[in-house]
Amino acid sequence: EVQLVESGGGLVQPGGSLRLSCVASGLTFSRYVMCWVRQAPGKGLEWVSSISGTDGSTYYADSVKGRFTISRDNSRDTLYLQMNSLGAEDTAVYYCQAGQPSDNWGQGTLVTVSS
Amino acid sequence: DIVMTQSPDSLTVSLGERATINCKSSQSVFYSSNNKNYLAWYQHKPGQPPKLLIYWASTRQSGVPDRFSGSGSGTDFTLTITGLQAEDVAVYYCQQYYSIPYRFGQGTNLEIE
Repeated sequence: EVQLVESGGGLVQPGGSLRLSCVASGLTFSRYVMCWVRQAPGKGLEWVSSISGTDGSTYYADSVKGRFTISRDNSRDTLYLQMNSLGAEDTAVYYCQAGQPSDNWGQGTLVTVSS
Repeated sequence: DIVMTQSPDSLTVSLGERATINCKSSQSVFYSSNNKNYLAWYQHKPGQPPKLLIYWASTRQSGVPDRFSGSGSGTDFTLTITGLQAEDVAVYYCQQYYSIPYRFGQGTNLEIE
């Protein structure tokens, strides 16, 4: 059974930073493109970023480009999202997803940007 | 960038009836080299992660009831739910995975009458 467990969410002040992690099990992690998807309160789903499993190519939504960095450690079966210069618009539940498209999702971790 | 637009934004249907949700992409998501439409449908309930229902526009994900079906090609797609059940109350999203950014539609809120 595939399991994805996110962590690292919490309350952060505007302009601050946070690093999310997603630990995967039950799949050959290195073979999967991994994604971050978020949902702001009362809003729809927004694709944030993806990283390929093979060459580590990274892709970002315009809304986070230059502020967020996606990375992965295939030896630890772990996906990361480094989030810098956070603003209120980044407040959301962040989900990691294995594959695209995919039914393999974590339960999500809440990031709240507020003073 | 490919923009995904769903209609309607919300939908109220009686139990046992049919629900139809439309999704239009601003550019074709059909890849002729493999004859596939790069379009997926997700169901999202509060407090849960999204659930993949349909991929390649019409292929039902394993374990998804056959009352869910997807159709369409190119830029116009439809998710149909027949014999609506109470557990189908959710927000439904289409998503294109043809090109980055993998945008979702704005979502359609399905309620039971």
